[in-house]
Amino acid sequence: SAVISQKPSRDICQRGTSLTIQCQVDSQVTMMFWYRQQPGQSLTLIATANQGSEATYESGFVIDKFPISRPNLTFSTLTVSNMSPEDSSIYLCSVDGQGAETQYFGPGTRLLVL
Amino acid sequence: GQQVMQIPQYQHVQEGEDFTTYCNSSTTLSNIQWYKQRPGGHPVFLIQLVKSGEVKKQKRLTFQFGEAKKNSSLHITATQTTDVGTYFCAGRDTGRRALTFGSGTRLQVQP
Repeated sequence: SAVISQKPSRDICQRGTSLTIQCQVDSQVTMMFWYRQQPGQSLTLIATANQGSEATYESGFVIDKFPISRPNLTFSTLTVSNMSPEDSSIYLCSVDGQGAETQYFGPGTRLLVL
Repeated sequence: GQQVMQIPQYQHVQEGEDFTTYCNSSTTLSNIQWYKQRPGGHPVFLIQLVKSGEVKKQKRLTFQFGEAKKNSSLHITATQTTDVGTYFCAGRDTGRRALTFGSGTRLQVQP
C-alpha cells in the first residue's frame, strides 16, 4: 500500500489569495490525481499529474486556476489561485495501487475561504 | 462524459437492519471500485470488481457487478454502528486511469 501525506491539513484563507497544497507519497508512482470534495458532495477529479509532463485537467478545471507541479515521482503540489468562497472544499491527492486495482488517498486538505 | 449515480442519497437504519446502495453508470466500465468515507475522513478502498456478474463478499458486505458492467450494488447485512459513513462507488472507463466517483450514499445507523 501507499502512504500519502498532505500539507497543510487545513487552512483558512482570505479571498483573492492563493494556497499551495503539497502531496508526498512514500513510493514512486507514475500518476498522481487531485480531487476536490465540496461540502457534502462526492469527489470530483481536478487533474491527473504525470512526472515530467503537463497535468491533464478535467472539464471545468483550468491550469490558471489550479496550477500543478510534479517535479518527481513521489511529490506533487496543487495551487488554488485567486481563491473565492466557492473554493472552500477538501482537496485530496491520490495514487494508484499496484496494478491500478485500488486507489489510495491522502488525508485531504480542508480549505475554508472567507 | 461518464456519469455515475448512486441511490439512495441517504439512508437511516436501525442497528441490525440490512442496507443496500445501488450504483449506475452511463457508460460501460472496465471495473468498479467501492470506497467508504467515515465522517471527517478520507475515502478508503473496500473492493474492486472486474468481471461481468462478479460477486464478492467481505464479512457482512456483499458487492455485485452487473452483467452489462454498468451497474453495481453493495449490500450490508445486519448493520452495526461502525458501518456509519458514506459509501462511494467509482468507475473506470476503458483506457482511463482516473476514477469517476458516484454521488455517494450516506448511511446512518441508529443503535
